[in-house]
Amino acid sequence: EVQLLEYGGGLVQPGGSLRLSCAASGFTFSTCSMGWVRQAPGKGLEWVSSISSSGGGTYYADSVRGRFTISRDNSKNTLYLQMNSLRADDTALYYCAKGSPVVRESDYWGQGTLVTVSS
Amino acid sequence: DVVMTQSPLSLPVTLGQPASISCRSSQSLAYSDGNTYLNWFQQRPGQSPRRLIYRVSNRDSGVPDRFSGSGSGTDFTLKISRVEAEDVGVYYCMQGTHWPYTFGQGTKLEIK
Repeated sequence: EVQLLEYGGGLVQPGGSLRLSCAASGFTFSTCSMGWVRQAPGKGLEWVSSISSSGGGTYYADSVRGRFTISRDNSKNTLYLQMNSLRADDTALYYCAKGSPVVRESDYWGQGTLVTVSS
Repeated sequence: DVVMTQSPLSLPVTLGQPASISCRSSQSLAYSDGNTYLNWFQQRPGQSPRRLIYRVSNRDSGVPDRFSGSGSGTDFTLKISRVEAEDVGVYYCMQGTHWPYTFGQGTKLEIK
């Protein structure tokens, strides 16, 4: 059974940093591209970032480029999102998304971890 | 960015009746590999999104056959042949052809 468990969210002040993690199990992590999608409270979905299966290719939405960094550790079956210079509009539930095997066909998402940026 | 426009945004449906959601993209979603990367997701209240349909018309494992997808180019449709109570939620189309991948605004299906 595919499982994606996100953690690392929390309350942070504007300008602060957080690192999200996503622990994956139930599939061959190293063969799948992965991504992060966010959903602001009561709002729709926004694809934030993607990473290739090897980690050699990374992609970012304009809204986070230069502030967020996606990475992965295939030996630990874990996906990361380092978030710096956080702003109030980054407040959202952040979902980890699994590729099938590429995220343009993402077939499974975790339950999400909530990031709140507020003073 | 590719803009995905869904209609309607609110869809009240009587149990057992059909429902249809339209999704239009601002650019063709046909990819260079010959595929069209248009997905449909269902988000039930309090849950994370679940993929129902991929590549326009392929139903995911475990998805009831009352759900079907169709379309091509820039015009796509999700149909539910007979709505059941468990279908309540928000439905999103998502394009995976052009980066950044983008979603429609969501269509909220409710029971009349």
